[in-house]
Amino acid sequence: DAGVTQSPTHLIKTRGQHVTLRCSPISGHKSVSWYQQVLGQGPQFIFQYYEKEERGRGNFPDRFSARQFPNYSSELNVNALLLGDSALYLCASSGQGNTIYFGEGSWLTVV
Amino acid sequence: ELKVEQNPLFLSMQEGKNYTIYCNYSTTSDRLYWYRQDPGKSLESLFVLLSNGAVKQEGRLMASLDTKARLSTLHITAAVHDLSATYFCATQAFGNEKLTFGTGTRLTIIP
Repeated sequence: DAGVTQSPTHLIKTRGQHVTLRCSPISGHKSVSWYQQVLGQGPQFIFQYYEKEERGRGNFPDRFSARQFPNYSSELNVNALLLGDSALYLCASSGQGNTIYFGEGSWLTVV
Repeated sequence: ELKVEQNPLFLSMQEGKNYTIYCNYSTTSDRLYWYRQDPGKSLESLFVLLSNGAVKQEGRLMASLDTKARLSTLHITAAVHDLSATYFCATQAFGNEKLTFGTGTRLTIIP
């Protein structure tokens, strides 16, 4: 079975641009969460979606938004990119079990 | 606000030695997660601890949970080079799927 898949794996954007990151959860998982991991730190929670509804939002500005689709895949959008948005963006998927699985991440560099 | 502290932040140890990583969290929680992260990679789930006194072992790693002390430990037995990585603990407040991560422990095993 496929794990959590994310795309793109690496991307470079210019300050002020917009980025869309995509995530497909493990088959059967209805919950998707997004995390930002800056180099040298632990991941920070951005959003959680369950059954297409936002269930939680972390302490991130309104430039960050997300949504979940009927097939439970998800997008994370970041507008007006800043240099400080450079990070690894991780998508996590969970279902009926207790384990939360992470995808390989999307490395975003803002120049 | 839930806070998670790990110590030590950096650990350099010789092959064959034993050591313990500590994870303290600030409020009551119903589960504790341990993840491993290799450089440039995503998070690999190691253990999920669900109740007070829970102990889980996989190979040279053993994790335990004391919910009364709000403490989890990750014990490494007879370390080998392949265990070199950063280890994160994470927990959730009751009824909240948001993971709050510790700062991570960067473990280096020296031959």
